[in-house]
Amino acid sequence: GQNIDQPTEMTATEGAIVQINCTYQTSGFNGLFWYQQHAGEAPTFLSYNVLDGLEEKGRFSSFLSRSKGYSYLLLKELQMKDSASYLCAVKDSNYQLIWGAGTKLIIKP
Amino acid sequence: ETGVTQTPRHLVMGMTNKKSLKCEQHLGHNAMYWYKQSAKKPLELMFVYSLEERVENNSVPSRFSPECPNSSHLFLHLHTLQPEDSALYLCASSQENREADTQYFGPGTRLTVL
Repeated sequence: GQNIDQPTEMTATEGAIVQINCTYQTSGFNGLFWYQQHAGEAPTFLSYNVLDGLEEKGRFSSFLSRSKGYSYLLLKELQMKDSASYLCAVKDSNYQLIWGAGTKLIIKP
Repeated sequence: ETGVTQTPRHLVMGMTNKKSLKCEQHLGHNAMYWYKQSAKKPLELMFVYSLEERVENNSVPSRFSPECPNSSHLFLHLHTLQPEDSALYLCASSQENREADTQYFGPGTRLTVL
């Protein structure tokens, strides 16, 4: 079966750095997405990786290793507004998006 | 600001009621999606419409009935639902090019079935 694993919940301190991991086992691979979802709001697109390596976008970076079936989202200089759930999703060989259950990130002052 | 809107934002209905959820996208996309989001579970894809044709129906119970009258509008008609259908229902749209066709989501409808 197809599976996306990510931690259920993480806690970090304002101003610090946090890394949210995602591992996947899918039938084929056509890209990996990260979304941010604040409570009661729409998931919003953060990043897309299809090749190995690090993609940096301001305070957020996303890394992909296809050989390891692994990605992480790195958040720097954490702010209180970064408290949200972070969803990892992989596009499989049929171009279907397979979703993880999300990681709830709690930022403390 | 979002290019995908959904109404209503909240809905409470009894098991014998009939209601409809509405989604509208203003992004010029050619694909639209309905998802179900339950607490601590992955997003569940319910229906996909590409160029107004349904291309996916992941064994969703018949009490959920989608309708896509044009590329900008998507409906989910609900009838005789069960309490376990209570969830957040999300609509999304994308421009299909089989690669980075990023999906953009609406704010969702929080459905409670009594």
